[in-house]
Amino acid sequence: DTGVSQDPRHKITKRGQNVTFRCDPISEHNRLYWYRQTLGQGPEFLTYFQNEAQLEKSRLLSDRFSAERPKGSFSTLEIQRTEQGDSAMYLCASSRQGLWGYTFGSGTRLTVV
Amino acid sequence: AQTVTQSQPEMSVQEAETVTLSCTYDTSENNYYLFWYKQPPSRQMILVIRQEAYKQQNATENRFSVNFQKAAKSFSLKISDSQLGDTAMYFCAFIDNYGQNFVFGPGTRLSVLP
Repeated sequence: DTGVSQDPRHKITKRGQNVTFRCDPISEHNRLYWYRQTLGQGPEFLTYFQNEAQLEKSRLLSDRFSAERPKGSFSTLEIQRTEQGDSAMYLCASSRQGLWGYTFGSGTRLTVV
Repeated sequence: AQTVTQSQPEMSVQEAETVTLSCTYDTSENNYYLFWYKQPPSRQMILVIRQEAYKQQNATENRFSVNFQKAAKSFSLKISDSQLGDTAMYFCAFIDNYGQNFVFGPGTRLSVLP
């Protein structure tokens, strides 16, 4: 059990560029979650997958955001045409069915300049 | 919609002393779970303690304990014998019985002073 891995840890991008983050969950976990955390705030839910199916999306997830989890393993979160307001920490978490073993990754910090 | 409120943006405590962090929440659900998470500068969210709403007994984990008042919708965290390593952001979080996504409070920044 190597925990939840997120890559990259930091990403600086120019406004208008596209960025993609990756999350590798704990191997036996079938649920995977994405959260966004802005400075001085708690994490806010974005979306979650059960296996490869995306079951819920927050209204925070605008049309510029897309998440995938092909084959129910790792997940990617892509932000198109980044804006300065997208600057935040993007956290991934995984769990088995329900809350069992719910574990967070260390996050990807995005800075849009 | 559920909401979680933490009214103390920052707190400090002397090493070896006891500190209590406050949390209130709002929900119409009867069955749910409450959590305290710690986020040190390393950024990883670490589970401190959890409480099932159907359990009347307050959860304890070593130096950490909670005071869960279901009727008042209050869920405070007590840290005894504070250690320098307890310095972190602490988030109170709620999840409903379906276990789909957390609702987090805004956090309390705790500093343990030597």
